[in-house]
Amino acid sequence: DGGITQSPKYLFRKEGQNVTLSCEQNLNHDAMYWYRQDPGQGLRLIYYSQIVNDFQKGDIAEGYSVSREKKESFPLTVTSAQKNPTAFYLCASSKAGSAYEQYFGPGTRLTVT
Amino acid sequence: AQSVAQPEDQVNVAEGNPLTVKCTYSVSGNPYLFWYVQYPNRGLQFLLKYITGDNLVKGSYGFEAEFNKSQTSFHLKKPSALVSDSALYFCAVYPGGYQKVTFGTGTKLQVIP
Repeated sequence: DGGITQSPKYLFRKEGQNVTLSCEQNLNHDAMYWYRQDPGQGLRLIYYSQIVNDFQKGDIAEGYSVSREKKESFPLTVTSAQKNPTAFYLCASSKAGSAYEQYFGPGTRLTVT
Repeated sequence: AQSVAQPEDQVNVAEGNPLTVKCTYSVSGNPYLFWYVQYPNRGLQFLLKYITGDNLVKGSYGFEAEFNKSQTSFHLKKPSALVSDSALYFCAVYPGGYQKVTFGTGTKLQVIP
């Protein structure tokens, strides 16, 4: 899983609560990404950041928010507005302009009941 | 917009037999193509990539993939399957520059002892 850590590995929340997923990398990568993985749907891009203090929406950004205050960190907040938040969340990073070679973290499995 | 199709949800193969996991793509221009592997509850691990050059690309763990431009395919192959190859395999395409990577929906490979 390279130099990317995600915590916690499993996370349980009640419906209506916001929850923040951590992602840290020590690879000195400029770009970072958040994906959501659901069975049979592959990986869908939530948000990505090419540089500190800048980020863009991916394909399914509604109900999520991110920040990129430090190069090493790209936390993802799953808000109460996300209709179906239970999923496996993967963080990745890459060198700038090299999205084809992404290094993935181990993932966080979020369960909302 | 680019897309990737993995037509098989699951592939079963006997240990020792050759395996093929299929992938077709659609992208403008010359594509960057990749294969990743995911073991249960883990992040994705990079297997191999095609950027340019030889159509047969060799990667990690004895895997290889054949780029076929006329058929817009990038099938993953291995001459002799191992039980430990059982995992979820993702094909991905990248158009270049600062654009995003698009992943397929994944194919579960089951190697039967």
